[in-house]
Amino acid sequence: DSGVTQTPKHLITATGQRVTLRCSPRSGDLSVYWYQQSLDQGLQFLIQYYNGEERAKGNILERFSAQQFPDLHSELNLSSLELGDSALYFCASSVGLLGGGLHEQFFGPGTRLTVL
Amino acid sequence: SQKIEQNSEALNIQEGKTATLTCNYTNYSPAYLQWYRQDPGRGPVFLLLIRENEKEKRKERLKVTFDTTLKQSLFHITASQPADSATYLCAPAGAGSYQLTFGKGTKLSVIP
Repeated sequence: DSGVTQTPKHLITATGQRVTLRCSPRSGDLSVYWYQQSLDQGLQFLIQYYNGEERAKGNILERFSAQQFPDLHSELNLSSLELGDSALYFCASSVGLLGGGLHEQFFGPGTRLTVL
Repeated sequence: SQKIEQNSEALNIQEGKTATLTCNYTNYSPAYLQWYRQDPGRGPVFLLLIRENEKEKRKERLKVTFDTTLKQSLFHITASQPADSATYLCAPAGAGSYQLTFGKGTKLSVIP
């Protein structure tokens, strides 16, 4: 158990809808990262927050947005969903800002999103 | 653009042998390289981090090397066991990097 929690575990929805994925980082970790994993693309970085502020952005679509709250939990909002958005979405956390190198990341169990 | 290649999508090895996985990168010079293990449907789990000034790092049956001249990292599992079967991901990162960029992974199967 990594200490990172994600809800819900599974989500099935229709095209055009909007969903919110939630993540609670490990106790004491200030950085939260969101990743998308699909079969053909592998694990793709979406966005990072550190202590409430956005710090890095990857290939995140404009239809997607995220935020980190004062209690450090984070939410990823996906809107106008398309079939191609079906994937596993992972949240990860790290103790410091430099989760791209110096600091290891701890991943949650993921949310499996299916868009029908 | 930066490119990360892991030697093969799948690697089958006999139990007890040493598994060697390769991670090659092009168009940048990482200061760190992390390795993760991922089981089907689960989140990746951190295994090892190696810095550019470290040629080799070990943890129990795991060994990682980092050759900045060849732009390559090798990941070894000695005395492999069926429980080592998983997908292994490498993630090189520059100094001051906020994020990880993962390779597509190598799926290792250890056959009893």
